[in-house]
Amino acid sequence: GAGVSQSPSNKVTEKGKDVELRCDPISGHTALYWYRQSLGQGLEFLIYFQGNSAPDKSGLPSDRFSAERTGGSVSTLTIQRTQQEDSAVYLCASSLGRGQYFGPGTRLLVL
Amino acid sequence: QKEVEQNSGPLSVPEGAIASLNCTYSDRGSQSFFWYRQYSGKSPELIMFIYSNGDKEDGRFTAQLNKASQYVSLLIRDSQPSDSATYLCAVTHRGSTLGRLYFGRGTQLTVWP
Repeated sequence: GAGVSQSPSNKVTEKGKDVELRCDPISGHTALYWYRQSLGQGLEFLIYFQGNSAPDKSGLPSDRFSAERTGGSVSTLTIQRTQQEDSAVYLCASSLGRGQYFGPGTRLLVL
Repeated sequence: QKEVEQNSGPLSVPEGAIASLNCTYSDRGSQSFFWYRQYSGKSPELIMFIYSNGDKEDGRFTAQLNKASQYVSLLIRDSQPSDSATYLCAVTHRGSTLGRLYFGRGTQLTVWP
C-alpha cells in the first residue's frame, strides 16, 4: 500500500521567507509526527498529533514553527521567517501503534 | 532527561559475520523499543520492534531486550554488504506505544565483502 508521502522533496528559500511543508500519512494511521535531521545529526522531535487530542508541541524549537493537521489526515508544518539554521531534512512519520513509518522527507535549504 | 545511547561506530564486519549493535536508555519507564535502518540520504526504515524482555527474531535480525539492565540490542546474522547503513535505536516512554520516539544518534555499520 501507499506509504507516507511528503512534498516538496526539496525546497530552497531565502532567509526571512516563510515555507510550508506537507505530509500525507498512511491511510488510517491516527498518529502523525514531525522530526528534523540536520546533516550528520540525530533525529530531533518537533511535534506529535494523535487523533483529536491536543498536539504535543514540546519539540518545536521556536515560535516561528507551527503545524496543523486537518481532518485527522494531512499535516502542514510552517516555518516563518526562515533562518539558515533551519536548513535540515524534515521528516514526517505516521503510526497505528506498532512503530512509526517515515516519509521520504523534505530537504530544506535556507540561503 | 530521557537519553538513548548508542556507540557511534563505525562498526566494521566481514560479509557473513554477525553484527551486534547495542543501545542503552535512561528512562526505566520506557515501554517500546525500535530499531531503524537509515541508508545515506534516505529516511529511516523500521526493521524491528520489541516490547517484552527476551529475544525476538525476524529473518536474519534478532532484537534482544533486557529492561532490568535498560539495554536493547540488534543482532544481524549472515551480514551482507547491503546491510551497510546507520542503525538507529528508538524508545517510547511510560504508558504509550504511540508517543514520540526518543532516538539514539545511531551506529554506522559497514559490511565488507
